[in-house]
Amino acid sequence: GAVVSQHPSWVICKSGTSVKIECRSLDFQATTMFWYRQFPKQSLMLMATSNEGSKATYEQGVEKDKFLINHASLTLSTLTVTSAHPEDSSFYICSARVGVPAEKLFFGSGTQLSVL
Amino acid sequence: GENVEQHPSTLSVQEGDSAVIKCTYSDSASNYFPWYKQELGKGPQLIIDIRSNVGEKKDQRIAVTLNKTAKHFSLHITETQPEDSAVYFCAASWGYQKVTFGTGTKLQVIP
Repeated sequence: GAVVSQHPSWVICKSGTSVKIECRSLDFQATTMFWYRQFPKQSLMLMATSNEGSKATYEQGVEKDKFLINHASLTLSTLTVTSAHPEDSSFYICSARVGVPAEKLFFGSGTQLSVL
Repeated sequence: GENVEQHPSTLSVQEGDSAVIKCTYSDSASNYFPWYKQELGKGPQLIIDIRSNVGEKKDQRIAVTLNKTAKHFSLHITETQPEDSAVYFCAASWGYQKVTFGTGTKLQVIP
């Protein structure tokens, strides 16, 4: 299957700082990537759809100024959590659709963010 | 929008037994149904998928069945092994619409 690489795997930061998470498609080009958030023992919650060369589309209730998404190339999307607070602590996972039609969704390994 | 329900939320089986996880969906337009396995601290991994023009698909010890009329689809794991222990998510989508996930099933295979 397609490989989606996500870094870092875990990050600890102080409240008020910003954290950047990278998501790369290693063996394919991804015009669209997705960012999910997952709380312990819960399902995946779609935060936003990242489109190469254009603005991201955010799901209802997700603060676009808090969660900045940049998709500057066909293989890289980044999620920046700005002015992080303890309530932003969560598991963040990126994904990309592959195939024709682009149905198959492949996920990165996830990033555990802990805000102190 | 689409709604996917998944049962059971937890499932314990003895090693070697079979495990079945069931999902129902609400949007009759959905035509693609993947299953994901998520191990602790990792991202979900696609393990099998099925399209609406197929009733059953098998890959070694795992199989998925789909009943479009009833809007049901199920994951079957035979000869379970301890490494099958994980959380499994079903999902549904159509075209380029966003993928809707079930609530997950924590499978424990007891050696």
